[in-house]
Amino acid sequence: GENVEQHPSTLSVQEGDSAVIKCTYSDSASNYFPWYKQELGKRPQLIIDIRSNVGEKKDQRIAVTLNKTAKHFSLHITETQPEDSAVYFCAASMNSGGSNYKLTFGKGTLLTVNP
Amino acid sequence: ETGVTQTPRHLVMGMTNKKSLKCEQHLGHNAMYWYKQSAKKPLELMFVYSLEERVENNSVPSRFSPECPNSSHLFLHLHTLQPEDSALYLCASSQEGGQGYEQYFGPGTRLTVT
Repeated sequence: GENVEQHPSTLSVQEGDSAVIKCTYSDSASNYFPWYKQELGKRPQLIIDIRSNVGEKKDQRIAVTLNKTAKHFSLHITETQPEDSAVYFCAASMNSGGSNYKLTFGKGTLLTVNP
Repeated sequence: ETGVTQTPRHLVMGMTNKKSLKCEQHLGHNAMYWYKQSAKKPLELMFVYSLEERVENNSVPSRFSPECPNSSHLFLHLHTLQPEDSALYLCASSQEGGQGYEQYFGPGTRLTVT
């Protein structure tokens, strides 16, 4: 089955700096890669996702890049703010016919943005 | 209520008790999921129901028994649990078969087994 490795497990940055979180996956058939953010005591929420036919996707201060050959994808947050502090999870799945139910998650990265 | 709701939010039970967790989604989705979230571990997919049929059972012990009576409700029946089953149990839903891939999570039930 799929295996997703995520690092670092913790990341501390100064407000305004950039943060990068990296994930690798094992199953070359995986084609859908979402990122979830979970604030302390709250539910995970999707912040951005990317499909294997795209190499990069941006949404304001957040971007995700995908390297299918190397089987890794990364989350980039620019101009970090204290409210970006949370645990971030990457995930991978093989989306077939609009079904992506089997998400395999990484262990998560605790991002702390210091004011 | 909007989104995905879960009750109870906190549950403490002994190893010989029987309890149930409830999840309800108000998004019109056709797939529902149970995940287990333990400290320092990835989110673990437990069960998936699509169109009210169980399509995934990720090698979960039989002391966990899911039930999906309709597309809006999902239950997780618990009996004779072990202390290592203490965790946050998250329910999620999604719309399968279309362009929507996002899984929407509920707030979770914090379970403590004593």
